[in-house]
Amino acid sequence: SQTIHQWPATLVQPVGSPLSLECTVEGTSNPNLYWYRQAAGRGLQLLFYSVGIGQISSEVPQNLSASRPQDRQFILSSKKLLLSDSGFYLCAWRKAGRYDTEAFFGQGTRLTVV
Amino acid sequence: AQTVTQSQPEMSVQEAETVTLSCTYDTSESDYYLFWYKQPPSRQMILVIRQEAYKQQNATENRFSVNFQKAAKSFSLKISDSQLGDAAMYFCAYGLTGTASKLTFGTGTRLQVTL
Repeated sequence: SQTIHQWPATLVQPVGSPLSLECTVEGTSNPNLYWYRQAAGRGLQLLFYSVGIGQISSEVPQNLSASRPQDRQFILSSKKLLLSDSGFYLCAWRKAGRYDTEAFFGQGTRLTVV
Repeated sequence: AQTVTQSQPEMSVQEAETVTLSCTYDTSESDYYLFWYKQPPSRQMILVIRQEAYKQQNATENRFSVNFQKAAKSFSLKISDSQLGDAAMYFCAYGLTGTASKLTFGTGTRLQVTL
């Protein structure tokens, strides 16, 4: 069966510090991978998605970046965090193709920038 | 660009009653999927139900069913016999089939279940 791991679960970082959130998927190959951000009491904002190694599509211009160094690994990064980067970050994967295309989510990372 | 709209920020239902959550979407595509996700206080996203656009029959999953109106681009969720455990945020989502796909979510509806 497929599983998705996202860490850390909670993170408190000072303004101007770097960020690295990691997400890995097991039990499937060549998944579509996604990073979403959810502000308090708000919906899910798509930040990045990837359909393959090294292929990253950005939805929202900001000081965050994403990378996919391996087929089942997706990393969200920042060189210098802003207060506005605080939020709940969710990684998700989805099988590419015609069927079974619902998204499966990680447990999320609660990021607080202070 | 595809957009998903949930016009009800909050809804309330009494236990054992029925409630309907609304969702509309905008797309020029003909082949896509629609989903309803539930996010309880734990914030874990849980798939409730999905609908393939090529299917005319409305999807059902136990107490959950949808009313899919493709021409109207409407996709509502009906929860029957509401239970306290149904209290959560509910998100409607749209996704294309194929490799170049992304999932677009609405802003959510917070459902309260009262005794």
